[in-house]
Amino acid sequence: AQTVTQSQPEMSVQEAETVTLSCTYDTSENNYYLFWYKQPPSRQMILVIRQEAYKQQNATENRFSVNFQKAAKSFSLKISDSQLGDTAMYFCAYAYSGNTPLVFGKGTRLSVIA
Amino acid sequence: DGGITQSPKYLFRKEGQNVTLSCEQNLNHDAMYWYRQDPGQGLRLIYYSQIVNDFQKGDIAEGYSVSREKKESFPLTVTSAQKNPTAFYLCASSIPGQGTDTQYFGPGTRLTVL
Repeated sequence: AQTVTQSQPEMSVQEAETVTLSCTYDTSENNYYLFWYKQPPSRQMILVIRQEAYKQQNATENRFSVNFQKAAKSFSLKISDSQLGDTAMYFCAYAYSGNTPLVFGKGTRLSVIA
Repeated sequence: DGGITQSPKYLFRKEGQNVTLSCEQNLNHDAMYWYRQDPGQGLRLIYYSQIVNDFQKGDIAEGYSVSREKKESFPLTVTSAQKNPTAFYLCASSIPGQGTDTQYFGPGTRLTVL
């Protein structure tokens, strides 16, 4: 069975600084999808970024980027120029292709400090 | 305006009662999902449905039931057999197509057992 591990339960970062959240996963599949979701205090789950395993290029979305290391099964999220609005729980998730369910890590609570 | 709606936002259940959580989407998504979120546990899959009139059990299906009579609707019933139902419940749906697997979430329902 696929598993996703987030080893940092809590992290904090100063406003305007850069922070990296770690995620590792376990799968025997070659093609799959990885995601980072953000859950602010409103508890709405918001997609931050996604990565297709067959693409070697790391995904980027504005201030958010990933470091995808397929051989190491690692998928870290880098947030640049952190803003107070980035304060949230961040979940790493895995999905096998074909509209299949997500497997989530337990999350990392990120606090951005002014 | 397209999106996923869940109702009610807050729900209280007495011991021995069945309650039904609503999830509706107007995004024309084929697949829909129910996840349960507990503190420190991340999100866990209860049930999912990839097409109308078909659904599969997830990791924690015991004490829950679902139906998928319409593409737009995927209600979740929490039965009296679910011994610890107090949790935050999230519904999601995913974009059809070739393995995009991007899931979008509703705002959630907070269920409390009195």
